[in-house]
Amino acid sequence: GESVGLHLPTLSVQEGDNSIINCAYSNSASDYFIWYKQESGKGPQFIIDIRSNMDKRQGQRVTVLLNKTVKHLSLQIAATQPGDSAVYFCAEYNNDMRFGAGTRLTVKP
Amino acid sequence: KAGVTQTPRYLIKTRGQQVTLSCSPISGHRSVSWYQQTPGQGLQFLFEYFSETQRNKGNFPGRFSGRQFSNSRSEMNVSTLELGDSALYLCASSAWTGVTGANVLTFGAGSRLTVL
Repeated sequence: GESVGLHLPTLSVQEGDNSIINCAYSNSASDYFIWYKQESGKGPQFIIDIRSNMDKRQGQRVTVLLNKTVKHLSLQIAATQPGDSAVYFCAEYNNDMRFGAGTRLTVKP
Repeated sequence: KAGVTQTPRYLIKTRGQQVTLSCSPISGHRSVSWYQQTPGQGLQFLFEYFSETQRNKGNFPGRFSGRQFSNSRSEMNVSTLELGDSALYLCASSAWTGVTGANVLTFGAGSRLTVL
């Protein structure tokens, strides 16, 4: 079956650097994508979303890029801070929301 | 306004027992979804309810069931528990109405189930 997946299970960055977390999806019918952040002991928290009629959306310090040609989604975090350390999930929607395996982001001081 | 509330937060059961988990969605949200999260795995979709009807179901055995009440509160039940059912069970609600496209899921903190 089709699934959402992440390229890297872990990512370590220096505080202040930019982070890029990637996600590949295989269901071309998916029309809505979300990035979630999950900290230890908490449920996933919404970061940013994008619909399939867009290729870029910016939030506060975060940008999501969608490349439908290669079915690729990425999350860019500017000036990464220690508080950004968490597991990040991408999710795609096609009748229901399916999640990738997650990438653990560690920010080194 | 209050977020998604899940109870209990932690529970321990033994194999063969059954468990019921509860979820209160954000006020006004009529769509409730359930996910299972295990170490090293992503979130696995269990089922989604909307207006007391199961709208979608993931690939889980029949031991996993759920329901939604008229006030949109939802419960999920796992019968004949197995060791592999140990997981964090997450509930999420959304403002999805069936008319518009997908909406953001807002998650609760989860119910951590340990099966011994």
